[in-house]
Amino acid sequence: SQQGEEDPQALSIQEGENATMNCSYKTSINNLQWYRQNSGRGLVHLILIRSNEREKHSGRLRVTLDTSKKSSSLLITASRAADTASYFCATPWGNTDKLIFGTGTRLQVFP
Amino acid sequence: DTAVSQTPKYLVTQMGNDKSIKCEQNLGHDTMYWYKQDSKKFLKIMFSYNNKELIINETVPNRFSPKSPDKAHLNLHINSLELGDSAVYFCASSQFPGQGNEKLFFGSGTQLSVL
Repeated sequence: SQQGEEDPQALSIQEGENATMNCSYKTSINNLQWYRQNSGRGLVHLILIRSNEREKHSGRLRVTLDTSKKSSSLLITASRAADTASYFCATPWGNTDKLIFGTGTRLQVFP
Repeated sequence: DTAVSQTPKYLVTQMGNDKSIKCEQNLGHDTMYWYKQDSKKFLKIMFSYNNKELIINETVPNRFSPKSPDKAHLNLHINSLELGDSAVYFCASSQFPGQGNEKLFFGSGTQLSVL
């Protein structure tokens, strides 16, 4: 299967705690993207990290990329109930615009 | 002023029927896509169009026929619906195709239920 793997599949935390999600992929990439999906809604792009970057920040989000291990992590700091959603990593297939999505992590943040 | 809008949001129909889902984007993007998300939340690309031209056609039954009348619209027509077609279908668009560097903008999805 081309699909990447994410773990954990589900994560439950209290507001204020940090949430870490991991993504592993299978092929060489030039970038990796993270998306959020709220229940019943479409996916929303969060952050893109290029293959020559090791870490990137956007607000409370921190993404790391380790191309030698073909893995990435998404850290959400000081989580809020509104962060409750599914989070997906996505990698392009070769130099095409075909994005391969991971299996997703369902994050539940309790108030 | 929704960027990528698709209709209908819900579609409930009987096996064997033919149905269409419409998608429009007002972002001025050249590339549009259809993705399918199954009950386990696996998201898989079905088609992509660049400026009305079919670019990606994954192994999708030919009962599914995309149509792009112009670069702002990409509709999906499904013939002879089957139970296994039940899923959420997402339309998306992006600005710079072929480089794998551009983010996707998604519609809110169409939940198709085939009875």
